[in-house]
Amino acid sequence: DAKTTQPNSMESNEEEPVHLPCNHSTISGTDYIHWYRQLPSQGPEYVIHGLTSNVNNRMASLAIAEDRKSSTLILHRATLRDAAVYYCILSSGGYSSASKIIFGSGTRLSIRP
Amino acid sequence: SQTIHQWPATLVQPVGSPLSLECTVEGTSNPNLYWYRQAAGRGLQLLFYSVGIGQISSEVPQNLSASRPQDRQFILSSKKLLLSDSGFYLCAWSTGQNYGYTFGSGTRLTVV
Repeated sequence: DAKTTQPNSMESNEEEPVHLPCNHSTISGTDYIHWYRQLPSQGPEYVIHGLTSNVNNRMASLAIAEDRKSSTLILHRATLRDAAVYYCILSSGGYSSASKIIFGSGTRLSIRP
Repeated sequence: SQTIHQWPATLVQPVGSPLSLECTVEGTSNPNLYWYRQAAGRGLQLLFYSVGIGQISSEVPQNLSASRPQDRQFILSSKKLLLSDSGFYLCAWSTGQNYGYTFGSGTRLTVV
């Protein structure tokens, strides 16, 4: 399975944008890039995913490099509730139903009031 | 809308006792189902996944097994628990690579 590399931790100020980087230099052409976050004592929560084009939803934006070897999750205006561990994951398996995601260690995001 | 249910929320079991954790999904058919475990202070480890009834793939050999007796039911079992089986167990479902995964609320298992 292709690996991802993320910083162990990041800090940001409340109400400011946050850019969480992820490197995935061995990504294959059929791998989707997924982002999840996990708050303490809870299961992971889906944030966003994409293949080649940048994606936006109500939670965040995903910027994917043209060569797809890196991506950035953008939280436009951080709140204290965004403090969590953020996981960047590659979903393997093509369009078959045998897809699976393998979690790495993620980035622990802290938000300063 | 689709929902995923896991129970129980917490469980304390003695070493050597059996285990059965259940996960059910509503509002979708033929989902891919997954069991993950998170040991204290560690990352999430994929244990099993299933693409259909009776079809189970194991990611890590261990003291656990999984079964899928019905389309939307996924069960994690053990015949004899070990101390190392303690952790936070999460069930998840997806309809494929191009869709997000939805996780249940988890079962916190403590083996004593």
